[in-house]
Amino acid sequence: AQSVSQHNHHVILSEAASLELGCNYSYGGTVNLFWYVQYPGQHLQLLLKYFSGDPLVKGIKGFEAEFIKSKFSFNLRKPSVQWSDTAEYFCAVNGGSQGNLIFGKGTKLSVKP
Amino acid sequence: GAVVSQHPSWVICKSGTSVKIECRSLDFQATTMFWYRQFPKQSLMLMATSNEGSKATYEQGVEKDKFLINHASLTLSTLTVTSAHPEDSSFYICSARSSAYYEQYFGPGTRLTVT
Repeated sequence: AQSVSQHNHHVILSEAASLELGCNYSYGGTVNLFWYVQYPGQHLQLLLKYFSGDPLVKGIKGFEAEFIKSKFSFNLRKPSVQWSDTAEYFCAVNGGSQGNLIFGKGTKLSVKP
Repeated sequence: GAVVSQHPSWVICKSGTSVKIECRSLDFQATTMFWYRQFPKQSLMLMATSNEGSKATYEQGVEKDKFLINHASLTLSTLTVTSAHPEDSSFYICSARSSAYYEQYFGPGTRLTVT
């Protein structure tokens, strides 16, 4: 079965530090990859997505992710985090049998001001 | 962007009662809606997929007689938790997808607490 693994459960950073959140998936076919963010008390919002083309994808709020097919990875990066980036981040792949998204367990990011 | 709403956002009910949660696509026609469940500090798990005018497809382990899903129109899907028990307390999230776009749009979620 397809799965998504996120390596870090909780990441704590100071403002201006660089961020990289790991995401690996297990799916041999054509993949569509997503990163979602869930701010405290709010609903899931799409940060960025990869369907095809340039493997370096730029999203909103300065986030980017790189699709490395050989490593089955889609890591999320941001050069300089802000306190407002404190949230839970979910990696997902569109690999479900119903066309649904399969989510990783999420990574909680806490940014200290 | 596309907007998906859920109602109610928060509900408390007594054990044994039923609760209906609505999921609406406000500015597009959703041919497919997904219902997810999220436990505290865990990821979203797909419960069922509903296509407009068809019976829902439930994931393994999800009781279809307990979690009734109806997708009667292209803008509305409902999830009814029947005879709710405390272990049904969770965060229920719907997402919607149109036939024109591959992307899913998520609702804000409904927090159900069964006492």
